[in-house]
Amino acid sequence: EAGVAQSPRYKIIEKRQSVAFWCNPISGHATLYWYQQILGQGPKLLIQFQNNGVVDDSQLPKDRFSAERLKGVDSTLKIQPAKLEDSAVYLCASSDPLAGWVQETQYFGPGTRLLVL
Amino acid sequence: GESVGLHLPTLSVQEGDNSIINCAYSNSASDYFIWYKQESGKGPQFIIDIRSNMDKRQGQRVTVLLNKTVKHLSLQIAATQPGDSAVYFCAEKVDANSKLTFGKGITLSVRP
Repeated sequence: EAGVAQSPRYKIIEKRQSVAFWCNPISGHATLYWYQQILGQGPKLLIQFQNNGVVDDSQLPKDRFSAERLKGVDSTLKIQPAKLEDSAVYLCASSDPLAGWVQETQYFGPGTRLLVL
Repeated sequence: GESVGLHLPTLSVQEGDNSIINCAYSNSASDYFIWYKQESGKGPQFIIDIRSNMDKRQGQRVTVLLNKTVKHLSLQIAATQPGDSAVYFCAEKVDANSKLTFGKGITLSVRP
């Protein structure tokens, strides 16, 4: 079974520029997550999708970050304009939890390493 | 959980020894706990999980122990190998509708 795919793997941009990241989850996984992982810290949830609907975007800085999952499969995360503090690894994860079950295995992609200069 | 910034706690063990990685979780209402392993340049990888109604669960070479009284979770790795070198994260979840919250990462370094 193929894992979660992400691209690009690395991106260097200047502040105030825009950038987009792409994620292809594991086939059949209805739930998709975007996380931000700053160096030395654990992943922090940005947004959660269930199929093509947003479940939780409470920690997404909506003035500059946006995400979509139009057909309920692939997803893109965009930053516009980027700030220096956005330098981080952006991880995509997917899962297929049973409804109402707290147990859930999230499968992570390799991440996109973003450096904002 | 909280983060320690750029300087992660590090555990250094000799190859072949047993490793114990500890985690203090933050929410007494959490019902589900997971350990993830993250190697350099890769995303976190699931190791083992445990529900709050259990205090111990074993996998292949790994055991997770849960002490709800003191909100403590530990990961034991038997016969530690060089391939176990990575950053380890514990994560907690309150219920089916809540998000997964990651704790502090701990770096495991295996000496040959």
